[in-house]
Amino acid sequence: RKEVEQDPGPFNVPEGATVAFNCTYSNSASQSFFWYRQDCRKEPKLLMSVYSSGNEDGRFTAQLNRASQYISLLIRDSKLSDSATYLCVPGANSGYALNFGKGTSLLVTP
Amino acid sequence: NAGVTQTPKFRILKIGQSMTLQCAQDMNHNYMYWYRQDPGMGLKLIYYSVGAGITDKGEVPNGYNVSRSTTEDFPLRLELAAPSQTSVYFCASRQSGTGGGYEQYFGPGTRLTVT
Repeated sequence: RKEVEQDPGPFNVPEGATVAFNCTYSNSASQSFFWYRQDCRKEPKLLMSVYSSGNEDGRFTAQLNRASQYISLLIRDSKLSDSATYLCVPGANSGYALNFGKGTSLLVTP
Repeated sequence: NAGVTQTPKFRILKIGQSMTLQCAQDMNHNYMYWYRQDPGMGLKLIYYSVGAGITDKGEVPNGYNVSRSTTEDFPLRLELAAPSQTSVYFCASRQSGTGGGYEQYFGPGTRLTVT
């Protein structure tokens, strides 16, 4: 079973819309997560860390539901520049490398 | 503070040629990684290192070699390049430790084509 599962999308939303992505995880011992953003043919960049119940940074809100083992990312007032792939990544509980899946593709249209 | 740097940015190799992809970080991170990413796919771990002199294989190590003589540098060597190694290569690093606060930082990538 994969460590995380994300809907690959693509999610096509109009500018100004609110969009949410979910990510389910299999390891109940996972304590922390990261949301990374990856633009086409660029390196992944950290968007947000999620430690306890959630985190908020401007238009972006991440929530962690330990009972149901999922993390969500909410983007409000979508901008064209939000178009990217969003990767849900568990923090390293053991081992050395973070596990990056394919992520969820978002396309914001005018 | 330059973070993680990679050279070259682009390279075209002929089948059978060899090359070294350079990676350096100035954050004094113990852990360093090499990933490859094929179009439309996720990152696949090639090799990683937990400190100078210590390296280990990841998910797809065949056709590659690494060394880690210093904390700062982690070069990736391709021997006898094959078309299947056409990909984007990302180097990353992070502090040692588990849990939150230990995110990975990535270099800008090297785009390699083997023809």
